[in-house]
Amino acid sequence: SQQGEEDPQALSIQEGENATMNCSYKTSINNLQWYRQNSGRGLVHLILIRSNEREKHSGRLRVTLDTSKKSSSLLITASRAADTASYFCATATNRDDKIIFGKGTRLHILP
Amino acid sequence: DAGVIQSPRHEVTEMGQEVTLRCKPISGHNSLFWYRQTMMRGLELLIYFNNNVPIDDSGMPEDRFSAKMPNASFSTLKIQPSEPRDSAVYFCASSLGYMNTEAFFGQGTRLTVV
Repeated sequence: SQQGEEDPQALSIQEGENATMNCSYKTSINNLQWYRQNSGRGLVHLILIRSNEREKHSGRLRVTLDTSKKSSSLLITASRAADTASYFCATATNRDDKIIFGKGTRLHILP
Repeated sequence: DAGVIQSPRHEVTEMGQEVTLRCKPISGHNSLFWYRQTMMRGLELLIYFNNNVPIDDSGMPEDRFSAKMPNASFSTLKIQPSEPRDSAVYFCASSLGYMNTEAFFGQGTRLTVV
């Protein structure tokens, strides 16, 4: 079963622009994570935000979390061609160690 | 550490054959996950283990699928008999397992059942 749902499904922007991806989820969470997947590769963890946090930064990444709306956003600033990949949100609850992924957003950075 | 290691990277098999996928998690990690990725269904959690014990196998699609973790450094996912609809990329991931930490993924096994 899927917990998170990303929006949009696909996004194309010009290099240098900012890219914003959104994630909505259904149940209470302990934390929300964002991952990146390059074509044909495994997923790589980008950032984790806990349920008591509202915003987190890591380099050009900014993640927000709104638990009242059960939603999160990932902002990539000053995008680069190398940012072309699929981005997934994933949620974990307080009950167990399961990590459930959404279907992802395919991001394409145009040169 | 070399990360999560999966084998084989690619597997092509005929319908009805048994398929075994293998995974070596990162040393010291307590949780291990098996995921299946397809275009239609995205990344589905099949089963996860904690301290070598299967905790939740509700994502295993059918009895044809089984998973084992005989020790902390090895897990297998078996499909018997395989069917064309099992074609997908299968990922193994591991995590420390405490306070819901991040998962580290292997490179995946691309399975094609013809």
